[in-house]
Amino acid sequence: EVHLVESGGDLVRPGRSLRLSCAASGFAFDVYDMHWVRRPPGKGLEWVSGINWDSSVEDYADSVKGRFTISRNNARDSLFLQMNSLRVEDTAFYYCARLRSGGGVFDYWGPGTLVTVSS
Amino acid sequence: QVVLTQPPSASAPLGASVKLTCTLTSGHSAYAIAWHQQQPDKGPRFLMRVNNDGSLLKGDEIPDRFSGSSSGAERYLTISSLQSDDEAEYHCQTWGADKWVFGGGTKLTVL
Repeated sequence: EVHLVESGGDLVRPGRSLRLSCAASGFAFDVYDMHWVRRPPGKGLEWVSGINWDSSVEDYADSVKGRFTISRNNARDSLFLQMNSLRVEDTAFYYCARLRSGGGVFDYWGPGTLVTVSS
Repeated sequence: QVVLTQPPSASAPLGASVKLTCTLTSGHSAYAIAWHQQQPDKGPRFLMRVNNDGSLLKGDEIPDRFSGSSSGAERYLTISSLQSDDEAEYHCQTWGADKWVFGGGTKLTVL
C-alpha cells in the first residue's frame, strides 16, 4: 500500500528557513516524479514544486522560485523541500504527492504538514 | 494560461446524487482534468482523471458511486447515493505548459 508522510512543519518567523521531509513507502519511489502542493488557510490547492525520478529536472512555481529547493534521496525513499526566506503568505498545509506514471495526475498524497509563518 | 473554475459550494440530501462542475478557460477545452477529494483535516485523495472525450481513469478503490463526464470545456464529477463521509472539498486539477493548476475547490455539504 502506498504511503506518503510529511514532517517538519512548524511555526517560524518571517525570513527564517524550514526543511520539510516526505517519507514514502509501498512503491518503487525511484521511478516516480514527486511534487509538493500546498493549501493556504481558506484557499484552494496550489502547486509548489516538482522533481523528476532521477533529480535531473526540478520545477518551481513563480511564487517560490529562488527561495525553495526541492530534492530527493532515492536510497532512503525520501523527498525534501528546503524553504528559505519564508513569508507570511507561505503559511499553508504542505502535501507531498506522487505523479502518476504517464504524467499529469497526482495519484497519491500525504496527510500534510502545517507551516505557519508569523511574527 | 489555463484557469479552472469551480463553484465554491454545493449541497444535496443524503442518498441523492450531485453533479459537480469544473470549467476550463476558453481555448483549453481539450485538456484532461483530475478530481481529488479532500475530507476535513485530511490530505487529498485522487478520484479520477476525466479526458475531453469523457473517458475515465479512476484511482485505486474508488467506488462506482463516483463517476465523471465531459462536455465542451466542462468536466463533471457525479456522486450518487450520497453518504455522510462524501461531505468534503472537491478539487479539479490540470497540467500542461502552465505546469500544474488547480481550481478553487467546491465544498460539498450532505444535508
